[in-house]
Amino acid sequence: DTGVSQDPRHKITKRGQNVTFRCDPISEHNRLYWYRQTLGQGPEFLTYFQNEAQLEKSRLLSDRFSAERPKGSFSTLEIQRTEQGDSAMYLCASSLALGQYNEQFFGPGTRLTVL
Amino acid sequence: DQQVKQNSPSLSVQEGRISILNCDYTNSMFDYFLWYKKYPAEGPTFLISISSIKDKNEDGRFTVFLNKSAKHLSLHIVPSQPGDSAVYFCAASERGGSQGNLIFGKGTKLSVKP
Repeated sequence: DTGVSQDPRHKITKRGQNVTFRCDPISEHNRLYWYRQTLGQGPEFLTYFQNEAQLEKSRLLSDRFSAERPKGSFSTLEIQRTEQGDSAMYLCASSLALGQYNEQFFGPGTRLTVL
Repeated sequence: DQQVKQNSPSLSVQEGRISILNCDYTNSMFDYFLWYKKYPAEGPTFLISISSIKDKNEDGRFTVFLNKSAKHLSLHIVPSQPGDSAVYFCAASERGGSQGNLIFGKGTKLSVKP
């Protein structure tokens, strides 16, 4: 299966610790997105990359969050000094931005629990 | 302010009947709409999309209708199957998705009973 993969699938951490998640997009896709989903809500956009350039960041992405996509392939999302409010499902998606419309394909997500 | 609204948190349908899931939006700049299905503990799976130049798009059992004047779209599933039981999210974007982010509704949980 060559879909979007995310690692780890689950992460439990204590408040104040740093965590890092990884996303591997579909190999030929040039765009990569991060979303966050909390219970009872739809996914909320955090940031996206076209190749290695980070083109947009949501106001949800506080200074404690940083994302990278160093070689335009996989991406990492780091949360520093985690807070209980960071507990959520973190979703990665990728797309091939060629035509006028581009569907985003999602990975299975990383569920973060901050104790 | 929610730009994409799914006002029905849940829907229950008998197997073999039609499921109709509804979505309303407020941003007139949206020109591309997508439906995703999500099972528990999995990421959303792309189902079907429609651009604002169309009013209908069909893919097998799934049809999406767009009413731009009413800022309303709907997903029809015919016939419904128990495996369709999942949470369905409506999403929208500007400029065909070139803006990057999708705006999602809160989802509708569909239960298809055998």
